[in-house]
Amino acid sequence: AQTVTQSQPEMSVQEAETVTLSCTYDTSESDYYLFWYKQPPSRQMILVIRQEAYKQQNATENRFSVNFQKAAKSFSLKISDSQLGDAAMYFCAYRSAKYGGSQGNLIFGKGTKLSVKP
Amino acid sequence: DSGVTQTPKHLITATGQRVTLRCSPRSGDLSVYWYQQSLDQGLQFLIQYYNGEERAKGNILERFSAQQFPDLHSELNLSSLELGDSALYFCASSRGRDYEQYFGPGTRLTVT
Repeated sequence: AQTVTQSQPEMSVQEAETVTLSCTYDTSESDYYLFWYKQPPSRQMILVIRQEAYKQQNATENRFSVNFQKAAKSFSLKISDSQLGDAAMYFCAYRSAKYGGSQGNLIFGKGTKLSVKP
Repeated sequence: DSGVTQTPKHLITATGQRVTLRCSPRSGDLSVYWYQQSLDQGLQFLIQYYNGEERAKGNILERFSAQQFPDLHSELNLSSLELGDSALYFCASSRGRDYEQYFGPGTRLTVT
């Protein structure tokens, strides 16, 4: 079974600085997707970024980028120029790309609570 | 706004009762997923439907059941409720298994 581990329960960053959130995962599959979701105090789950395992290029979305290391099974999220609105819980998630079986459900890590200091 | 709607937003009920949570997916999305978020278990997948058919089951208790109707809305039924069922229940939808899942605002269930 696949597992996702986020080893940093809490992190803090100064406004305008850069922060990196860590995520590791365990799988025997070669084809899969990885995601970062943001959950602000409103509790809404918001998709931040997506990475396909077959792509070597790291995904970027504006101030958000990932460092995907397939061999190391590592998928970290870098937030540049941090803003107060970035304060939230961040969840790393895995989804199999294999047909049959799980049919695409997400497997989540426990989350990292990010605080942004003004 | 993700386009996924869930009702009710909050639900308070007593142990032993039965409740129904409702989800309307984004327009055009055929897949609906239900997740449970609790303090001790984190975010867990419960069940998935695609175009009216059950496609996958996760850690869903036998006391819980779900269905997806012809208009693609879905309902999650929770019965014989226990204190431990108190959680945030999310519905997510996607166009299919290879597409992103977009989450609704969740239903906060409190069992007293």
